[in-house]
Amino acid sequence: NAGVTQTPKFQVLKTGQSMTLQCAQDMNHEYMSWYRQDPGMGLRLIHYSVGAGITDQGEVPNGYNVSRSTTEDFPLRLLSAAPSQTSVYFCASSRGRADEQFFGPGTRLTVL
Amino acid sequence: GQNIDQPTEMTATEGAIVQINCTYQTSGFNGLFWYQQHAGEAPTFLSYNVLDGLEEKGRFSSFLSRSKGYSYLLLKELQMKDSASYLCAVRETTDSWGKLQFGAGTQVVVTP
Repeated sequence: NAGVTQTPKFQVLKTGQSMTLQCAQDMNHEYMSWYRQDPGMGLRLIHYSVGAGITDQGEVPNGYNVSRSTTEDFPLRLLSAAPSQTSVYFCASSRGRADEQFFGPGTRLTVL
Repeated sequence: GQNIDQPTEMTATEGAIVQINCTYQTSGFNGLFWYQQHAGEAPTFLSYNVLDGLEEKGRFSSFLSRSKGYSYLLLKELQMKDSASYLCAVRETTDSWGKLQFGAGTQVVVTP
């Protein structure tokens, strides 16, 4: 089992560019989520999904889109990158709503 | 919504014991998680408490008091590899999915 994988590991964007952060899990987990982590602020939920075809907004969804066409994949799209989106992004999955979350290795994004 | 408070940093000596406190205010409660995060890495699950009392797992123990909105993580026989950030996360009951709300993390520094 690879667990939760994320690509790319590092990315530098210019303001206004768009890109997709990839996330995949091979544990057949229904629940997947995207967080961003900024110094002194902890992990903040961007979007989450409770199964294929079902997504919802978290605490900080503005500027991000998600889709969940399969159980395995949960990509995060930045529509028009802004310097405020410079952060470390983590994808996580869990079997059920009360279960522990497994985190991917993270994507370190810098927007210039 | 909820507020989660934990100390920013704690320093302890190798072999000693450290207790990391976490207080929370929430409109609904459905469990509290502790995660460990080494610098530059993803968070990894340590413990889960949903009922009052102490959960012990080797050198790590976690305690919960729901009436006081309080938890602590106890690290015994500290080792250098325990130097990391420790994240307290609370799951709400008001949401169908039970989103996790994370504290900002406590950086534990273990000195020789």
